[in-house]
Amino acid sequence: GAVVSQHPSWVICKSGTSVKIECRSLDFQATTMFWYRQFPKQSLMLMATSNEGSKATYEQGVEKDKFLINHASLTLSTLTVTSAHPEDSSFYICSARDQGTGRANYGYTFGSGTRLTVV
Amino acid sequence: QKEVEQDPGPLSVPEGAIVSLNCTYSNSAFQYFMWYRQYSRKGPELLMYTYSSGNKEDGRFTAQVDKSSKYISLFIRDSQPSDSATYLCAMSSGGYNKLIFGAGTRLAVHP
Repeated sequence: GAVVSQHPSWVICKSGTSVKIECRSLDFQATTMFWYRQFPKQSLMLMATSNEGSKATYEQGVEKDKFLINHASLTLSTLTVTSAHPEDSSFYICSARDQGTGRANYGYTFGSGTRLTVV
Repeated sequence: QKEVEQDPGPLSVPEGAIVSLNCTYSNSAFQYFMWYRQYSRKGPELLMYTYSSGNKEDGRFTAQVDKSSKYISLFIRDSQPSDSATYLCAMSSGGYNKLIFGAGTRLAVHP
């Protein structure tokens, strides 16, 4: 089945530094990947849609300059949290859709998530 | 009003019980309905998906969609401790449109 690898699984960084999170589709190509943020005991909030070879589409209220997304290949998207602050501490999850299955929405596979703690 | 409403629980049931999880929604354009299971500190995994109205069964899981009432359900039969997780409903208006998630219901099945 489709597998999405997300790395790192957790990271602690100092306030003011930047952190990069990787999302890879291991056995399929993904033209589109999605980045979500999840606060404790809350649902997933879509941050942005990452499109291979073009600029990401950000949801309303998400700072483009703070959450940099790069989708340089059909198997890799990265999210960089720039100048991180304690309020950026959260669980970040990516997902990708297997374009080859033609299964539309139910073709989404999620990564295992990255827990970011900014101290 | 949120587009998708889901009771966050927690819901605690004994092993072997039938579990009923529900979501309501307000956007009549939603056509694709999914249930995801999320274990602590892990990404969601797809359990069930349904297009438009109707029922779908897969092993111990049954998904129901009632578009006239804007109401979807997930039933778990013979619940097991390993079913203890957060269950998220998700829906979309189009085959490649973004997913809108419910808040998730935390389920605990105790032996």
